[in-house]
Amino acid sequence: KAGVTQTPRYLIKTRGQQVTLSCSPISGHRSVSWYQQTPGQGLQFLFEYFSETQRNKGNFPGRFSGRQFSNSRSEMNVSTLELGDSALYLCASSQWTSGAVGRVTSEQFFGPGTRLTVL
Amino acid sequence: TQLLEQSPQFLSIQEGENLTVYCNSSSVFSSLQWYRQEPGEGPVLLVTVVTGGEVKKLKRLTFQFGDARKDSSLHITAAQPGDTGLYLCAGGRYNAGNMLTFGGGTRLMVKP
Repeated sequence: KAGVTQTPRYLIKTRGQQVTLSCSPISGHRSVSWYQQTPGQGLQFLFEYFSETQRNKGNFPGRFSGRQFSNSRSEMNVSTLELGDSALYLCASSQWTSGAVGRVTSEQFFGPGTRLTVL
Repeated sequence: TQLLEQSPQFLSIQEGENLTVYCNSSSVFSSLQWYRQEPGEGPVLLVTVVTGGEVKKLKRLTFQFGDARKDSSLHITAAQPGDTGLYLCAGGRYNAGNMLTFGGGTRLMVKP
């Protein structure tokens, strides 16, 4: 079974631009979560999509948005890029979402990430 | 905001030594997961614990979830250079979907 794929792997943008990152989950998985990883803040949750609906959202400004398509692929968009947005953006794929069908937790599989550099 | 404090932040040991990494919080989590991350890659799930007091073993790695489900530990016996990496604990809550709160990580280096 193919793993989680993220494109592109590396991206360089300048301040003020916008960027769209893509995540293809494992086949059959319906949940995609996005995280931002930086040396200073570590891994922080951005949002989760399950069956095309945003399930939960982290504490990030409205410049960060996402969506999920009917085939479970997900995109996240960052508008008006700032220097502080430079980070590794990770997506995680899961078959279920915690709380669904009485599940306490659902195993999550991470992709390799997209390294975004904002100049 | 629920915080997970991980300690130590850095650990450099010789091959064959034992070590323990701690993950503590003042909040209760319904599940606690441990990941290992290599440079340039995403975190890889090692184990998930969901029951207070639960102990799970994965070869030389032993994971424990605290009785009150607020803390967890990872113990590695006879560490090997292949154990080198960033170890992350992450807590989940039942009604929060798949949102995970991550600890700051423990960077482990095992020298041959």
